[in-house]
Amino acid sequence: KAGVTQTPRYLIKTRGQQVTLSCSPISGHRSVSWYQQTPGQGLQFLFEYFSETQRNKGNFPGRFSGRQFSNSRSEMNVSTLELGDSALYLCASSSQGGDSPLHFGNGTRLTVT
Amino acid sequence: TQLLEQSPQFLSIQEGENLTVYCNSSSVFSSLQWYRQEPGEGPVLLVTVVTGGEVKKLKRLTFQFGDARKDSSLHITAAQPGDTGLYLCAGSPSNFGNEKLTFGTGTRLTIIP
Repeated sequence: KAGVTQTPRYLIKTRGQQVTLSCSPISGHRSVSWYQQTPGQGLQFLFEYFSETQRNKGNFPGRFSGRQFSNSRSEMNVSTLELGDSALYLCASSSQGGDSPLHFGNGTRLTVT
Repeated sequence: TQLLEQSPQFLSIQEGENLTVYCNSSSVFSSLQWYRQEPGEGPVLLVTVVTGGEVKKLKRLTFQFGDARKDSSLHITAAQPGDTGLYLCAGSPSNFGNEKLTFGTGTRLTIIP
């Protein structure tokens, strides 16, 4: 069974630009969650999608958005990038969400200059 | 917001030594998961504990869930360089529904050969 796939692996953007990250979950998993990981703040929850609906949302500004498609693939978008958005963005899928075990991708490393 | 504090934040020990890392909260969790993250990769689930007082063993790793389900510990016996990584605990709130997992602050473990 293929794992969670995130693309691209690395991104370098300039302040003010926008970026879209992609995540393909494990086949059959309907829940996709996104996390931001930084050395100072650890793993911070962004949002969770389940069957194309946002089910939970973390405490991030509206510049961070996401969506899920009918095949469970998910994208997250960050608009008007700030230097502080530099981080590892992790996507995780699970069969049901909630407290179901998470299967993480290897992340997208975003650097904002 | 339910917080999970992990200690120590950093730990560096010699190969063959034993160690314990802790995950503490003032909140009750219905279940708690432990993950290990290696450089350049996403976290990988090690174990899930769901019953107060539960002890689970995974080779040289022993996980315990506190009786009150507010804390957990991970004990590693005869540590090996392959145990190096970031250890994260993650808890699910003690209620029903689709609550997101809350991740701890992490313990970065380095085993010196």
